[in-house]
Amino acid sequence: AQSVTQLGSHVSVSEGALVLLRCNYSSSVPPYLFWYVQYPNQGLQLLLKYTTGATLVKGINGFEAEFKKSETSFHLTKPSAHMSDAAEYFCAVSGASGTYKYIFGTGTRLKVLA
Amino acid sequence: SQTIHQWPATLVQPVGSPLSLECTVEGTSNPNLYWYRQAAGRGLQLLFYSVGIGQISSEVPQNLSASRPQDRQFILSSKKLLLSDSGFYLCAWRKGEASNQPQHFGDGTRLSIL
Repeated sequence: AQSVTQLGSHVSVSEGALVLLRCNYSSSVPPYLFWYVQYPNQGLQLLLKYTTGATLVKGINGFEAEFKKSETSFHLTKPSAHMSDAAEYFCAVSGASGTYKYIFGTGTRLKVLA
Repeated sequence: SQTIHQWPATLVQPVGSPLSLECTVEGTSNPNLYWYRQAAGRGLQLLFYSVGIGQISSEVPQNLSASRPQDRQFILSSKKLLLSDSGFYLCAWRKGEASNQPQHFGDGTRLSIL
């Protein structure tokens, strides 16, 4: 069975500071991993994905994430936070071919302080 | 390019009334379609998914049902709403059956039951 754990339901950073949102997964097959962002009263927007190949993945809005198999982690980072980054972030995992389900973490709400 | 539409954006319904939420996808064919419910602080709960016309898989036994009358149309229904049906409902699509493909979400419907 697959699972996703997002450590910290709320994270606050100062504008210009490093953003680090943590995601750990559990999967019995090579995972496919995704990060999404959700702004209030909107749907989820794909930030980035890891499928195969390079373990450092770059996404939109300056975000990136690194797949670390040994640590079963896929943490999301951004070097310098902007006020517009305030939102909720979800990590998700899917697995073997033919799987229809995606397992989502419970989300991390990012607050950016001026 | 592909787009997904959900309507209505907000809905207020009395307990015991029927429900119909509609989702359509444009610019692709034979998508996998999903309905999720998002409750505050609880992440995304998968309700139904569909891999083709008339093919519906239910994840959680509940007061809701889903139908897929056309390739790119997905409908969420209820005959009698309960207070517990309140929440934010999201429709999503995925290209084909490859689990390395991300899901793409609509803007959601905020459902309030009085």
